[in-house]
Amino acid sequence: AQSVTQLDSQVPVFEEAPVELRCNYSSSVSVYLFWYVQYPNQGLQLLLKYLSGSTLVKGINGFEAEFNKSQTSFHLRKPSVHISDTAEYFCAVLYGGATNKLIFGTGTLLAVQP
Amino acid sequence: NAGVTQTPKFQVLKTGQSMTLQCAQDMNHEYMSWYRQDPGMGLRLIHYSVGAGITDQGEVPNGYNVSRSTTEDFPLRLLSAAPSQTSVYFCASSYSWSSYNSPLHFGNGTRLTVT
Repeated sequence: AQSVTQLDSQVPVFEEAPVELRCNYSSSVSVYLFWYVQYPNQGLQLLLKYLSGSTLVKGINGFEAEFNKSQTSFHLRKPSVHISDTAEYFCAVLYGGATNKLIFGTGTLLAVQP
Repeated sequence: NAGVTQTPKFQVLKTGQSMTLQCAQDMNHEYMSWYRQDPGMGLRLIHYSVGAGITDQGEVPNGYNVSRSTTEDFPLRLLSAAPSQTSVYFCASSYSWSSYNSPLHFGNGTRLTVT
């Protein structure tokens, strides 16, 4: 079955430290990969996406992610986090051939501490 | 620039009551969908629509009905509320159902509690 795994439910980190949020998906011939961010009491916003081409994708607010086909991963990184980055982050996968039925991971809460 | 508007923001129901969660978008989006968000389970698709008059079931459709009489509106009906339907509900839309390059736009959610 198609699935998305975010192993870390919560990631605490100090301000200005680097962070990596992990995402793995079940293997498929073709996938499109997304990261969404949810700030408290708000809906989800698209952070970045991988459709094709360069495996390193840059998004908003200094975040980037790298698509690794052999490891079926799409980890999200930021070299230096801010308090304002505190939010829940969702990895999502659209498997090739489907409509816009995204499969979401369970989310990772990034808690940035001063 | 309203985007996706959901009403109400909060709702408390008693078991067995029915209600409708409203969703409207002003972006002329073809595709609309409903998700529920539960702790530790991420977002799960309830129902979706690829255009006016066309709806289909998602991953967790039981206990919910939808209709799409206009492009703008996509209400979600709870027929007989159950405590298991306590959740945060999100409506999302996108320009095209068939394009992976058409990101979803989310509303701010409706927090529903069924007692």
